Amino acid sequence: LAKTTQPISMDSYEGQEVNITCSHNNIATNDYITWYQQFPSQGPRFIIQGYKTKVTNEVASLFIPADRKSSTLSLPRVSLSDTAVYYCLVGEWSSASKIIFGSGTRLSIRP
Amino acid sequence: DGGITQSPKYLFRKEGQNVTLSCEQNLNHDAMYWYRQDPGQGLRLIYYSQIVNDFQKGDIAEGYSVSREKKESFPLTVTSAQKNPTAFYLCASSIVGRGRTEAFFGQGTRLTVV
Repeated sequence: LAKTTQPISMDSYEGQEVNITCSHNNIATNDYITWYQQFPSQGPRFIIQGYKTKVTNEVASLFIPADRKSSTLSLPRVSLSDTAVYYCLVGEWSSASKIIFGSGTRLSIRP
Repeated sequence: DGGITQSPKYLFRKEGQNVTLSCEQNLNHDAMYWYRQDPGQGLRLIYYSQIVNDFQKGDIAEGYSVSREKKESFPLTVTSAQKNPTAFYLCASSIVGRGRTEAFFGQGTRLTVV
């Protein structure tokens, strides 16, 4: 299983773009990269998933270089409500393998 | 609405008692998971199940037990053998099969043992 490494914490201000990078040097050919958001006392919520290049949805973008050994979650124009913990996961949910969460990145947004 | 329901949201038990946490899903997902989360920490996998009547241990299975008698249900029992049971417990489910997919999480059960 690919292990992920991401910053423990990040700070930013409202209206800024925030980029959180995740390192996954041992990613396997069939692995997808998935990002989750978690607010205190709630279950994680799916944000975005990708395999290569760039994926964009209504809340975020995911950039994955050609070697797939890292990925960057980009949150445009953050607000106070984006303060949360963000987890990067690598694996195949579809195979019901041992999906492991790392410690995540605690993002704090200031006014 | 489809989703995962965990109950109860808060649970208090005396030390030495077994307690069972409920997890039900109506998403028709084959796979289900149980995670434990301690304050300020990430999620740790307790057990997971790919199919009815089958389940595997995760990284911290000691002191816990599960059953998967129905596709919709994956209850977790915290036994008296679990040394530090006070934690936030999360259940999730996902589709099994090739291709991209995502996991859906319940809202969690906060267990406090006194």
